Amino acid sequence: AQTVTQSQPEMSVQEAETVTLSCTYDTSESDYYLFWYKQPPSRQMILVIRQEAYKQQNATENRFSVNFQKAAKSFSLKISDSQLGDAAMYFCAYRGGSGNAGNMLTFGGGTRLMVKP
Amino acid sequence: DAGVTQSPTHLIKTRGQQVTLRCSPKSGHDTVSWYQQALGQGPQFIFQYYEEEERQRGNFPDRFSGHQFPNYSSELNVNALLLGDSALYLCASSTLGGLKNTEAFFGQGTRLTVV
Repeated sequence: AQTVTQSQPEMSVQEAETVTLSCTYDTSESDYYLFWYKQPPSRQMILVIRQEAYKQQNATENRFSVNFQKAAKSFSLKISDSQLGDAAMYFCAYRGGSGNAGNMLTFGGGTRLMVKP
Repeated sequence: DAGVTQSPTHLIKTRGQQVTLRCSPKSGHDTVSWYQQALGQGPQFIFQYYEEEERQRGNFPDRFSGHQFPNYSSELNVNALLLGDSALYLCASSTLGGLKNTEAFFGQGTRLTVV
């Protein structure tokens, strides 16, 4: 079974600074997707960024980028120019089964990000 | 597009009772997955419905059951409620046969409190 581990229960960053959230995972599959989701107090899971395992290039979405180290099974999220609206719970998630969109997601335990003005 | 809608938003039940939670998927989606998120934890997969059948199931007891209707909407039923069933229940919709680069969309969840 796949597992996803987020070792940082809480992180804090000053507004406009950069922060990196860590995630490691364990799998025997070769084809999979990795995701970072944001969950604000409104509770709805919002997709931040995704990475296909077969792609060597790290995904980037505006201020959000990942450092995907497949051999190390590491998938960290970097948030640049942090904004107050970035404050939320962040979850790392794995989707196996060749990454089919309908397959289940396995989530980590989450990291609470606080942004200081 | 209304996205994924769940009802009710909050619910309080007594131990031993039964509860039904509802989910309407995003337009164009045919697959519904349910997740349980205990306070301070990540969501855990309960089960998934496609073509009105349960396709995958996580490590949850038979007290958790579901249904999918011809219009793709879904219900999650929990019988003989325990205090430990208190959690946020999230519904996610997707397309089972979709391209790999599509994604699941989540609703805002139902907060269930068992007293």
